[in-house]
Amino acid sequence: QVQLQQSGPGLVKPSQTLSLTCAISGDSVSNNSVVWNWIRQSPSRGLEWLGRTYYRSKWFNDYAVSVKSRITVNPDTSKNQFSLQLNSVTPEDTAVYYCAGGANWVFFVWGQGTLVTVSS
Amino acid sequence: QSVLTQPPSVSAAPGQKVTISCSGSSSNIGNNYVSWYQQLPGTAPKLLIYENNKRPSGIPDRFSGSKSGTSATLGITGLQTGDEADYYCGTRDSSLTTGVFGGGTKLTVL
Repeated sequence: QVQLQQSGPGLVKPSQTLSLTCAISGDSVSNNSVVWNWIRQSPSRGLEWLGRTYYRSKWFNDYAVSVKSRITVNPDTSKNQFSLQLNSVTPEDTAVYYCAGGANWVFFVWGQGTLVTVSS
Repeated sequence: QSVLTQPPSVSAAPGQKVTISCSGSSSNIGNNYVSWYQQLPGTAPKLLIYENNKRPSGIPDRFSGSKSGTSATLGITGLQTGDEADYYCGTRDSSLTTGVFGGGTKLTVL
């Protein structure tokens, strides 16, 4: 059974970088049938897909247009995890952030969620 | 403003049936599979239905999904108080090359 465990700070100052990690158990970040995603949820924006990383003989990344200039999603094969970095955050980035694994835009397994507040 | 449109709320009595609609366009629902997620209070979303009408292992057959044109529907029969949750539809948007979701529907079991 695949499980995802998120970690990272719950408070980030404006203009700084939001960093979260998602540790995978029961599967491999290099599984060439799975895609590893970051999704956020806020009252104003609802559920919003942010980005993904996946391995298909080599690593690929895709990002939502709304955050493309500020986001990086990276795999870490040595720790079997993947990460989210979102630069130059503003209060608009305050949300619950989820990591999720899936395929073909179906999200089969989710992390527990991390509330990230952007405030000075 | 979510790409997919859902009613904000629905309600029904225990034991009854309810349906939740999800409306989109040809760039999303019309040409892609639809998934449904259940989010209980204070928890992460959980996959209920994928590829329009398939249930993951462990999801009871009280939950069903269907799709017609640019709309999809989630059905729940034999309602239980434990079904009170927010329900979200999701799919791919081909024009945006991204996943998109509905705004969510709050189910109240009276």
